[in-house]
Amino acid sequence: AQSVTQLGSHVSVSEGALVLLRCNYSSSVPPYLFWYVQYPNQGLQLLLKYTSAATLVKGINGFEAEFKKSETSFHLTKPSAHMSDAAEYFCAVSDNNDMRFGAGTRLTVKP
Amino acid sequence: GAGVSQTPSNKVTEKGKYVELRCDPISGHTALYWYRQSLGQGPEFLIYFQGTGAADDSGLPNDRFFAVRPEGSVSTLKIQRTERGDSAVYLCASSLKGGLSYNEQFFGPGTRLTVL
Repeated sequence: AQSVTQLGSHVSVSEGALVLLRCNYSSSVPPYLFWYVQYPNQGLQLLLKYTSAATLVKGINGFEAEFKKSETSFHLTKPSAHMSDAAEYFCAVSDNNDMRFGAGTRLTVKP
Repeated sequence: GAGVSQTPSNKVTEKGKYVELRCDPISGHTALYWYRQSLGQGPEFLIYFQGTGAADDSGLPNDRFFAVRPEGSVSTLKIQRTERGDSAVYLCASSLKGGLSYNEQFFGPGTRLTVL
């Protein structure tokens, strides 16, 4: 069965600094990988997804993620953090009808 | 356009009571999903509907949990004899098509269930 592990339940960066949120996956078949963001009291919103096309995936709000099969990773990055990026981020994997989420990483952006 | 809506937004009940949680998917979306998100955790898959039928209910934790989607649109998640451990945020999502793992799921804001 597929699963994802997010390293670091909390990440804090300064405004303007690089954002790096880590995700490693486990899947017996080529996976579909997703990053979702959850703002307080809101539903999850898709940031980006990997569907076996380009390994570098660009998403909304300046985020991108790179699929590395050799490392079974799909880390999320953003060159320069904004205050509005503060939220909970979830990595997810799907190789069937269901989707398995990681435990989430809470991103804090300091002024 | 309207997104996925869920009602109620909050539900407080007593142990042993029965609750129903409702989900209105995006119009035209044939696939509907229920997830449960406990505090500090990611969403946990419960059940997936394709049209009116439950295509995958492997995530339902026990037979106290049941979900229906009689007309292929609105879905209701039903929990019998609630327990304190059922307290969580219940999320609903819909997608245009099911059966394809890369289809984007659109999530509702969730229903926060508290069992006292």
